[in-house]
Amino acid sequence: EAGVAQSPRYKIIEKRQSVAFWCNPISGHATLYWYQQILGQGPKLLIQFQNNGVVDDSQLPKDRFSAERLKGVDSTLKIQPAKLEDSAVYLCASSLGYAGVTYEQYFGPGTRLTVT
Amino acid sequence: GNSVTQMEGPVTLSEEAFLTINCTYTATGYPSLFWYVQYPGEGLQLLLKATKADDKGSNKGFEATYRKETTSFHLEKGSVQVSDSAVYFCALSDDAGGTSYGKLTFGQGTILTVHP
Repeated sequence: EAGVAQSPRYKIIEKRQSVAFWCNPISGHATLYWYQQILGQGPKLLIQFQNNGVVDDSQLPKDRFSAERLKGVDSTLKIQPAKLEDSAVYLCASSLGYAGVTYEQYFGPGTRLTVT
Repeated sequence: GNSVTQMEGPVTLSEEAFLTINCTYTATGYPSLFWYVQYPGEGLQLLLKATKADDKGSNKGFEATYRKETTSFHLEKGSVQVSDSAVYFCALSDDAGGTSYGKLTFGQGTILTVHP
């Protein structure tokens, strides 16, 4: 079974530039998550999709971050414009996920973003 | 809100030593509890989980017991190996009210280094 795929693996940009990350979840997984992991901290949820609808985006900085999930499968996370404090690893995860039921989340390898 | 607190600072042990990594939590409902592991250069992997009070999760020689009275989920292993060197994250998923789709709240992570 193929795992969660993410690209690119690494990205270096200058502040005020834009960047996009792509995620392909495990086939059949309804729920998709984007987490931000700053060095030395645990991952923090940015946005959560159930199929192609947003379930939780309460911690997404909406003035600069956006995300979409096309046809309930692949997802793209965008930052525009980037700030120095956005330097982090961006993790995508997926799960079977239904309301009130806890399923295991499977994580991708992450995209390491450095903003200079 | 929900939060997870792990013991601070890296842990350094000799091979075959006993390991304990402390984890306490705060949650509004009845959370499920998890330990995730991140090996060098790899993505997050689920190590073990417990979904209700007094449950014991176990995997690869690691164990953790869900203690509701002390709101704790400490990770233990009787004899660590060099290959256990990794970052360990405690996490919770609070499905109170059946409205959550498994959102995880993570602790800050504990770096474990095991020397031969």
